Amino acid sequence: QVQLVESGGGVVQPGGSLRLSCAASGFTFSSYGMHWVRQAPGKGLEWVAFIRYDGSNKYYADSVKGRFTISRDNSKNTLYLQMNSLRAEDTAVYYCAKDSASDYGDYFDYWGQGTLVTVSS
Amino acid sequence: QSVLTQPPSASGTPGQRVTISCSGSSSNIGSNYVYWYQQLPGTAPKLLIYRNNQRPSGVPDRFSGSKSGTSASLAISGLRSEDEADYYCAAWDDSLSGPRVVFGGGTKLTVL
Repeated sequence: QVQLVESGGGVVQPGGSLRLSCAASGFTFSSYGMHWVRQAPGKGLEWVAFIRYDGSNKYYADSVKGRFTISRDNSKNTLYLQMNSLRAEDTAVYYCAKDSASDYGDYFDYWGQGTLVTVSS
Repeated sequence: QSVLTQPPSASGTPGQRVTISCSGSSSNIGSNYVYWYQQLPGTAPKLLIYRNNQRPSGVPDRFSGSKSGTSASLAISGLRSEDEADYYCAAWDDSLSGPRVVFGGGTKLTVL
């Protein structure tokens, strides 16, 4: 069965950096687009970024553009989110989600359980 | 402020039918599919409806989706206590700065 396991969350100071990972299993990781979606405490869902199956195309939310970088290593079945210049408003549970398609982006058919990132001094 | 607009709350009694609306614009709902996600308390979201009105396997046919123009709606018939959750609509948006996924603010469904 499909499994997505996020890791790398924690407490970081404003202006700091953190790298999240998402280990995927149960499907051909290299054939599907992947997303990061976040949810601030008590708030709704916010899409963060998408990466095409082969890593050739990446899209970002305006709120993270220029600060976050999505990447993937298909040999390790792992998705990443490098987060720099972190702000208090980046505090959230970060979910990785599998796209149902490979390149153009469709719906999120599987989600991980999330990892909490807290930006605080 | 979310790009897609949903009512913050909805409620119904067991057995009733409830609908949740989702309003967008020509750059998102008007030109792309609508998806619905269910988030039970303390858990990750789960796909409920894809491509406007399709149900993944395992989702009861009590859940149905529809779309018209720049609006969409989720209907839940035969309401059950286990349907108490947050519901989010989503769509791809063809923004000037590049494609992006937009969500509604979420609707908290209470089963009375």
